[in-house]
Amino acid sequence: EVQLLESGGGLVQPGGSLRLSCAASGFTFSSYALSWVRQAPGKGLEWVSTFSADGVSTYYADSVKGRFTISRDNSKNTLYLQMNSLSADDTAVYYCAKAVVGGTLHAFDMWGQGTMVTVSS
Amino acid sequence: QSALTQPPSASGSPGQSVTISCTGTSSDVGGYNYVSWYQQHPGKVPKLMIYEVSKRPSGVPDRFSGSKSGNTASLTVSGLQAEDEADYYCSSYGGNKNLVFGGGTKLTVL
Repeated sequence: EVQLLESGGGLVQPGGSLRLSCAASGFTFSSYALSWVRQAPGKGLEWVSTFSADGVSTYYADSVKGRFTISRDNSKNTLYLQMNSLSADDTAVYYCAKAVVGGTLHAFDMWGQGTMVTVSS
Repeated sequence: QSALTQPPSASGSPGQSVTISCTGTSSDVGGYNYVSWYQQHPGKVPKLMIYEVSKRPSGVPDRFSGSKSGNTASLTVSGLQAEDEADYYCSSYGGNKNLVFGGGTKLTVL
């Protein structure tokens, strides 16, 4: 069974940092692009970042560029998101999502349950 | 990275068809056949319903179909059922190595 399990969310003060993890199972992790998508409370979906399947390319939304860093460890089947300089606008559920076969930046066929990040003093 | 434009709400009676639009620009929706649609029930995880404009993942009923004309993509749900009531989001490759989502449409089955 294909599964994505996020962890690392929590309450952090403005200006603080947090590292999210996404443990994958049930598929060949290294063969797929993986992304982070977030959803603020009561709001819509927002793409955050993607790491290509070839392990070379990373992509970021303008809203997080320079503050967030995506990485992956194929030996541990785990995707990460290092989040720095957090603000209240970053408060959201963060989903880990797997790209469709051959895709990078267009469709996600598997999503994790999400981890909540709350930025507040 | 402007969000794609979706109507905030749509509705239809059981058995009817409803179409949800998703309008972008020639730099995203109109420029690539990389439009996707997601269904999200309250408190649940998004589910891929359509990708690459009109392809359905395995397990998605053929009542769901997608199309595109110019800068506007559409999701049509035929034979509406109660369980189709959910939020629907479109997305598109944005051209400049990014992905954009629509604001979402709340579909109500009357």
